[in-house]
Amino acid sequence: GAVVSQHPSRVICKSGTSVKIECRSLDFQATTMFWYRQFPKQSLMLMATSNEGSKATYEQGVEKDKFLINHASLTLSTLTVTSAHPEDSSFYICSAHGTSGGGSSSTDTQYFGPGTRLTVL
Amino acid sequence: AQSVTQPDIHITVSEGASLELRCNYSYGATPYLFWYVQSPGQGLQLLLKYFSGDTLVQGIKGFEAEFKRSQSSFNLRKPSVHWSDAAEYFCAVYYNQGGKLIFGQGTELSVKP
Repeated sequence: GAVVSQHPSRVICKSGTSVKIECRSLDFQATTMFWYRQFPKQSLMLMATSNEGSKATYEQGVEKDKFLINHASLTLSTLTVTSAHPEDSSFYICSAHGTSGGGSSSTDTQYFGPGTRLTVL
Repeated sequence: AQSVTQPDIHITVSEGASLELRCNYSYGATPYLFWYVQSPGQGLQLLLKYFSGDTLVQGIKGFEAEFKRSQSSFNLRKPSVHWSDAAEYFCAVYYNQGGKLIFGQGTELSVKP
């Protein structure tokens, strides 16, 4: 249980285009999802917290208009990188936080997706 | 402020040798602590977690960790390392205001044959 998927796993785009990344909790409902960015050989940097049905909360220094987050259902959150530029190239990882469907609680535990490698040319 | 420190950026051990990865945290309340592992180009996999109770926690893949409140530590151990354990390891503390995880800098583990 507690599987999180991300799509696509890898994307290459031209500068100025927008890219959407999907994060899905496959076997549990995620009231909260998180989006992270990771640079090579570095730790994860939290970008934003996404709660189902409400606006995302962005960390300081993260541009809300550039990184659009939508959490329209309990199993899906999307991150759209708008007008992408080469400096946005990075590894983006989502995580989901909620209770598992079988009745056992996985509250307070974040389960991570496999990540999306974004390369902007 | 809450923080997590992993003092060792890179550790190399021989296959079959024992392993200990260090993690120290700074957190005012009772911490929820986690260890995650990341293989290159992959997401993070939960190895184990500590919320309360027995301070020695067993995880997957033969890993264990011990919570020591007096030392503000949550070190990860494995008695015999396998070549497939080579990866990046992250310690994290759960910050319950907002449900955020605060990560350490990570420790890269290399395994010598």
